[in-house]
Amino acid sequence: AQSVTQLGSHVSVSEGALVLLRCNYSSSVPPYLFWYVQYPNQGLQLLLKYTSAATLVKGINGFEAEFKKSETSFHLTKPSAHMSDAAEYFCAVSDGYNFNKFYFGSGTKLNVKP
Amino acid sequence: ETGVTQTPRHLVMGMTNKKSLKCEQHLGHNAMYWYKQSAKKPLELMFVYSLEERVENNSVPSRFSPECPNSSHLFLHLHTLQPEDSALYLCASSRQSSDPTDTQYFGPGTRLTVL
Repeated sequence: AQSVTQLGSHVSVSEGALVLLRCNYSSSVPPYLFWYVQYPNQGLQLLLKYTSAATLVKGINGFEAEFKKSETSFHLTKPSAHMSDAAEYFCAVSDGYNFNKFYFGSGTKLNVKP
Repeated sequence: ETGVTQTPRHLVMGMTNKKSLKCEQHLGHNAMYWYKQSAKKPLELMFVYSLEERVENNSVPSRFSPECPNSSHLFLHLHTLQPEDSALYLCASSRQSSDPTDTQYFGPGTRLTVL
């Protein structure tokens, strides 16, 4: 079975500081991994995805994530936080067996302090 | 209008009411999804439709009834709901449901409150 764990339901960083949001997955098959962002009162928007090509994936808004099979992790990073990055971030793993079925983590709310 | 739209954006209903949520996608996708987003819980997949055929029903109570009249529209009919059904209901679409690498595009959601 597939599952996703996001460590830290709330993360707070200062503007300009490194952003690190953690995601660990459990999957019985080679995983496909996604990071989505949700701004207040909006739906989820794809940041980036890993589909078994390059292990370092670059996404929109300066975010990137690295797939580490040995650690079963797919942490999201951004070198320098901006106020506009304040949102909730969701990691998801796709079930390759049974249609395009996503398993989402519980989310991490990122707060950016001025 | 582009992307995935949902109406209404907010809905308050009593437990005896019947209401419907509507989702429309303008992306030419063949798969559509309903998710439930509750506070402090992961997003829960409710239903998957592929080419207007329901291919996944994730043990959802019968008081939720989906309908997909064509590949662009998806409805969620609600009746006799419970207060614990209060949540944000998100609709999503993707090009096809059989590709696990396919991106899902989400609507803004309907915030449902059941009194």
